[in-house]
Amino acid sequence: GIQVEQSPPDLILQEGANSTLRCNFSDSVNNLQWFHQNPWGQLINLFYIPSGTKQNGRLSATTVATERYSLLYISSSQTTDSGVYFCAGTIQGAQKLVFGQGTRLTINP
Amino acid sequence: DAGITQSPRHKVTETGTPVTLRCHQTENHRYMYWYRQDPGHGLRLIHYSYGVKDTDKGEVSDGYSVSRSKTEDFLLTLESATSSQTSVYFCAISGRNTGELFFGEGSRLTVL
Repeated sequence: GIQVEQSPPDLILQEGANSTLRCNFSDSVNNLQWFHQNPWGQLINLFYIPSGTKQNGRLSATTVATERYSLLYISSSQTTDSGVYFCAGTIQGAQKLVFGQGTRLTINP
Repeated sequence: DAGITQSPRHKVTETGTPVTLRCHQTENHRYMYWYRQDPGHGLRLIHYSYGVKDTDKGEVSDGYSVSRSKTEDFLLTLESATSSQTSVYFCAISGRNTGELFFGEGSRLTVL
């Protein structure tokens, strides 16, 4: 089945730093999405980004489906950015999203 | 925020007892999903629904059943809870299958 690999698994930064999170798929991917799970467990959809680039404030994401990867950029990190970031997607013709194992981001003040 | 409510939010039960978790949405979305989240396994799909009375299995459906009698409600039932079903359960909704996904707050279930 489809494999989803997120890197790095853990990332610790100081407030104000920039970061790039990566999501690799084992096959060409559709319906790619990024989620943030905050320290209280809430899962928030950040981007639905099957291809191209989107920006929302300090966050942006780029997906190159044919190259089987997506990147999430966080600029000027804040402590509220801490949590786990998940990507999810489907391969061609599949009916179910597959999630990566997540990147745990810790932003220290 | 998407209008998704899960109940109960926390439950402790004993092995062998039945448990039902409820997911209620106010968005009129067609697709509803139940996931479980466990350390080391991430988010795994249990069952999903693509309409009233239309459901299908996910990757970890053994020991679980679901029902959807109304568009807004999706129930997850553990007929006889086991300790391996201790987990955090998330409901999610989407306007189309594998489309943009919105999650509820989660329900933490502990089976003793």
